[in-house]
Amino acid sequence: SQQGEEDPQALSIQEGENATMNCSYKTSINNLQWYRQNSGRGLVHLILIRSNEREKHSGRLRVTLDTSKKSSSLLITASRAADTASYFCATDAYNNNDMRFGAGTRLTVKP
Amino acid sequence: NAGVTQTPKFRVLKTGQSMTLLCAQDMNHEYMYWYRQDPGMGLRLIHYSVGEGTTAKGEVPDGYNVSRLKKQNFLLGLESAAPSQTSVYFCASRGIGAGLSFGPGTRLTVT
Repeated sequence: SQQGEEDPQALSIQEGENATMNCSYKTSINNLQWYRQNSGRGLVHLILIRSNEREKHSGRLRVTLDTSKKSSSLLITASRAADTASYFCATDAYNNNDMRFGAGTRLTVKP
Repeated sequence: NAGVTQTPKFRVLKTGQSMTLLCAQDMNHEYMYWYRQDPGMGLRLIHYSVGEGTTAKGEVPDGYNVSRLKKQNFLLGLESAAPSQTSVYFCASRGIGAGLSFGPGTRLTVT
C-alpha cells in the first residue's frame, strides 16, 4: 500500500511554539498533500507539494519532501490554539489515482 | 458554488437494511472518492472513480457498491448493513493533479 504514515501520533505544544509532523510513504508519487481535520468535521486541504519540489511555503506552513527517503514533513510555525486539529498526509501515487491517508497526527496547542 | 455536498447528513439503519449515500460536486472534477472514518482513526478508501462510468476498489470495498452515472454524482450503496459499517462517511473530489475537496460527512449508525 502506498498510504502515508504520520509520526508522531500525538503532539502537545504551547502556543507560540513550532510543530513538526512527519510522513513516510512507500511508492513513487506525483505529489503529496497535507490536510487538517477539526474534530467531527471534513478534511481541509492545506498544501500540495509535487515530486519535483523539495520545499513549499504557505503562510505559517512549511512542507518539505525528500523523494529519496520517501518522506515529508509539515512545520507549523508560531502555533495558535486554533491550530489544534488532526493532520493527515495523503499520497497521489504515480500511475495510480487512488488517494490514501495515514492515521494522522493529533496536534494540541495549549494557550 | 456549493462544492461537495452529501446526502443524508445522519442515518440510523437496522442490520440488514440497505441504503444509498449521495455525493454531488459542482466543480467539474474528474475524480471522486468515498472514505470511511472510524473514531480516532484515519480515513480508509472504500471506492473511487476516475471519470463518468468508471469505478475502482479501494482499501475496504467489501459490503459496498458504487456508481458514477453522471460526472457530478457518486453514489455509495450498502446492500445489507452490518454494525461494522457504523462510521462517518466522507466523499471527496479533485481535478487531475490537485488536492481533494471534501464533503461534510454522513454519520451512519447500524444497530
